[in-house]
Amino acid sequence: QKEVEQDPGPLSVPEGAIVSLNCTYSNSAFQYFMWYRQYSRKGPELLMYTYSSGNKEDGRFTAQVDKSSKYISLFIRDSQPSDSATYLCAMSEMYSSASKIIFGSGTRLSIRP
Amino acid sequence: GAVVSQHPSRVICKSGTSVKIECRSLDFQATTMFWYRQFPKQSLMLMATSNEGSKATYEQGVEKDKFLINHASLTLSTLTVTSAHPEDSSFYICSAMDPSHKREGGGYTFGSGTRLTVV
Repeated sequence: QKEVEQDPGPLSVPEGAIVSLNCTYSNSAFQYFMWYRQYSRKGPELLMYTYSSGNKEDGRFTAQVDKSSKYISLFIRDSQPSDSATYLCAMSEMYSSASKIIFGSGTRLSIRP
Repeated sequence: GAVVSQHPSRVICKSGTSVKIECRSLDFQATTMFWYRQFPKQSLMLMATSNEGSKATYEQGVEKDKFLINHASLTLSTLTVTSAHPEDSSFYICSAMDPSHKREGGGYTFGSGTRLTVV
């Protein structure tokens, strides 16, 4: 069993729709949760981060963490064609410069104009 | 924000040769850097943790003699793929975190990646 599971998609939705991306994990020691966006042939860029359980909102993006269920989500409101990319969830046990990150497999998202 | 520069962005080499990839933290010191490998349409797989001034820590299944890591300064880590073969063709990405951004929760910064093709 992988430490982090993520549906690879692809996921295609019309412009303006709400997108829901999810990951599950097995390591209860994970405390720091991140969502990255990756365009083709580029390095990942950080979108959202949360520590422990709870919600966090940043513009059109909302990240949710449910540690009791070992389940995290990223919601994108009013989706735009420019949101088309691969979205990777990531998590680590500690938030430190020496703590390694474990990634999900990534979900390929396509927003149709 | 913190910037990690990776070079080269693309490299093509002949089978049996070695290739060096550089990862630099441009505006911060990184005692730890991470090297990942990504196959097409797959996720980032951690290969090794690069520690300044000491030996790298390799993940299970990664050949340390194949993928040589040197972290000789606080701003530079290098990954050398030795005696490269076509199956080593992949996208290699490094990352680091600026400790001064820790309180802000800025997360880890990734390089732009190196696409290695071994022919």
